[in-house]
Amino acid sequence: NAGVTQTPKFQVLKTGQSMTLQCAQDMNHEYMSWYRQDPGMGLRLIHYSVGAGITDQGEVPNGYNVSRSTTEDFPLRLLSAAPSQTSVYFCASRPRTGLKYEKLFFGSGTQLSVL
Amino acid sequence: KQEVTQIPAALSVPEGENLVLNCSFTDSAIYNLQWFRQDPGKGLTSLLLIQSSQREQTSGRLNASLDKSSGRSTLYIAASQPGDSATYLCAGGVNTPLVFGKGTRLSVIA
Repeated sequence: NAGVTQTPKFQVLKTGQSMTLQCAQDMNHEYMSWYRQDPGMGLRLIHYSVGAGITDQGEVPNGYNVSRSTTEDFPLRLLSAAPSQTSVYFCASRPRTGLKYEKLFFGSGTQLSVL
Repeated sequence: KQEVTQIPAALSVPEGENLVLNCSFTDSAIYNLQWFRQDPGKGLTSLLLIQSSQREQTSGRLNASLDKSSGRSTLYIAASQPGDSATYLCAGGVNTPLVFGKGTRLSVIA
């Protein structure tokens, strides 16, 4: 199993450009999420999904779109990149097994710089 | 809204020392508490997960406890080694998404 795979690992954008950060998992996890990590701010939730066709906003959703057409993939779209979106982005997934919580698995991250 | 706080932000200890990392949370209706490790430039790795009905979990030299009534969790690392140097984050969940603390950066000096 590859686990949670994020691409690209590094990306530089100019202000106003759009792009998609890819996230794929091969563990058949229902729950997937996107976090951004900034110095002094910790990890903040952007969007999450509890299954194909279902998405919801997290703490900092503005400027980002998501969709979940398959169980495996959960791409994050930046509509018009801004310098404030310079950050390290992490995708994470876990099984969704009723009341019992399961461990969260993280990808290795995408370092994004917006100039 | 759940808030998770970790103190101290950084800690430096000599090799072999036993140490405790602290995590506090505001919502006692917490569903679960997880401890993660993050190495520089890497993603997070889940170390221990404590369900709301549990009091502690152990894995090797690591022991995590959860006290919902006081809103606290601790991560105990026994006989620390230089390889334990990393940032340790705790995260608590009330509903589906986890809320993370900002982490404690641990340095174990040989």
